Amino acid sequence: GENVEQHPSTLSVQEGDSAVIKCTYSDSASNYFPWYKQELGKRPQLIIDIRSNVGEKKDQRIAVTLNKTAKHFSLHITETQPEDSAVYFCASTKPSTASKLTFGTGTRLQVTL
Amino acid sequence: DTEVTQTPKHLVMGMTNKKSLKCEQHMGHRAMYWYKQKAKKPPELMFVYSYEKLSINESVPSRFSPECPNSSLLNLHLHALQPEDSALYLCASREGEVGGYGYTFGSGTRLTVV
Repeated sequence: GENVEQHPSTLSVQEGDSAVIKCTYSDSASNYFPWYKQELGKRPQLIIDIRSNVGEKKDQRIAVTLNKTAKHFSLHITETQPEDSAVYFCASTKPSTASKLTFGTGTRLQVTL
Repeated sequence: DTEVTQTPKHLVMGMTNKKSLKCEQHMGHRAMYWYKQKAKKPPELMFVYSYEKLSINESVPSRFSPECPNSSLLNLHLHALQPEDSALYLCASREGEVGGYGYTFGSGTRLTVV
């Protein structure tokens, strides 16, 4: 089955700096890669996603890049703010209505003042 | 309505109790999921229903029993749980590849087994 590795497990940055989180996946059939932000006690919230036919996608301060050949994708957050502090999960899934969403192990991002 | 609604939000149950978690969506999504999340861990898949039929059971103990009465509703029946089953239980739905790729998560039920 699919395996998703995520690094780093914790990341501390100063406000205004950039943060990068990296994930690798194992199944070349995976074609959809969402990123979730989860605050303590709350549900995972989709912040950005990318499909396998696209190499990069940007939404304001957040961007995701995908390298299908190397089977890795990354989340980039620029101009970090304290409210960006949370746990971030990458995930992958295959093209099927009932495909499971496989999560990475998570990155705890701390943005300090 | 673009939400997945889960009830109850919190549940405390004894090891001999029987309880049920409920999940509802009215987006016409044809796949629905149960995930279990322990503290500081990623969500782990438990069950997947596709077109109201169970399509994936991730070797979940029989004390967890899923049910999909119709295309909008998903239940998780709980019986004889153990304290280690305490976790956040998340329901999700997915439109499917044709209509879109995204998964929508409910806000979860925080379960405590005493």
